[in-house]
Amino acid sequence: GQQLNQSPQSMFIQEGEDVSMNCTSSSIFNTWLWYKQDPGEGPVLLIALYKAGELTSNGRLTAQFGITRKDSFLNISASIPRDVCIYFCAGQGRDDKIIFGKGTRLHILP
Amino acid sequence: KAGVTQTPRYLIKTRGQQVTLSCSPISGHRSVSWYQQTPGQGLQFLFEYFSETQRNKGNFPGRFSGRQFSNSRSEMNVSTLELGDSALYLCASSPDEGSTQYFGPGTRLTVL
Repeated sequence: GQQLNQSPQSMFIQEGEDVSMNCTSSSIFNTWLWYKQDPGEGPVLLIALYKAGELTSNGRLTAQFGITRKDSFLNISASIPRDVCIYFCAGQGRDDKIIFGKGTRLHILP
Repeated sequence: KAGVTQTPRYLIKTRGQQVTLSCSPISGHRSVSWYQQTPGQGLQFLFEYFSETQRNKGNFPGRFSGRQFSNSRSEMNVSTLELGDSALYLCASSPDEGSTQYFGPGTRLTVL
């Protein structure tokens, strides 16, 4: 079945640094989604991408839908302590089923 | 608009018991999906309901079931609970089938 590989699994960065994470798939997706999740809460949608090559920003976050439709990346610029959480990518294929990556846990070093 | 609400937020059960979780979607949303989230397996799709009909189903045993009511509210039921069923159960709603989903805060189920 379809699988998503999300990397890295975790990141340790200094406050103010830029962050980059990505997801790759063996299958083509029609939609890529990026979520964040705080402890004890449900995922919150950050960015939705619907077209290959699409580049979308939401504040300091930027995500792109890869032109092969098999990958997507999320960048966070000038990270702040509030960015600490787990980030998930999700892909939706032609059958409308949504597959989630295993998440990237972001840590910010003091 | 109020977001997706799930009740209860926390639940403790023992093996062999059954449990019912409830989800109220965002007003106007007609599709509800359920997911199980565990540290080892991540987010796994359970099922999706639209217009009171199950449209999609993940790879979970028959002990996991659900339903949707005419007001789009949904419940999921797990019978004969096992220790491995301990997880965060998330409900997500969307306006229509296949459209972007918005998650509730989840129900944390602990099976002892």
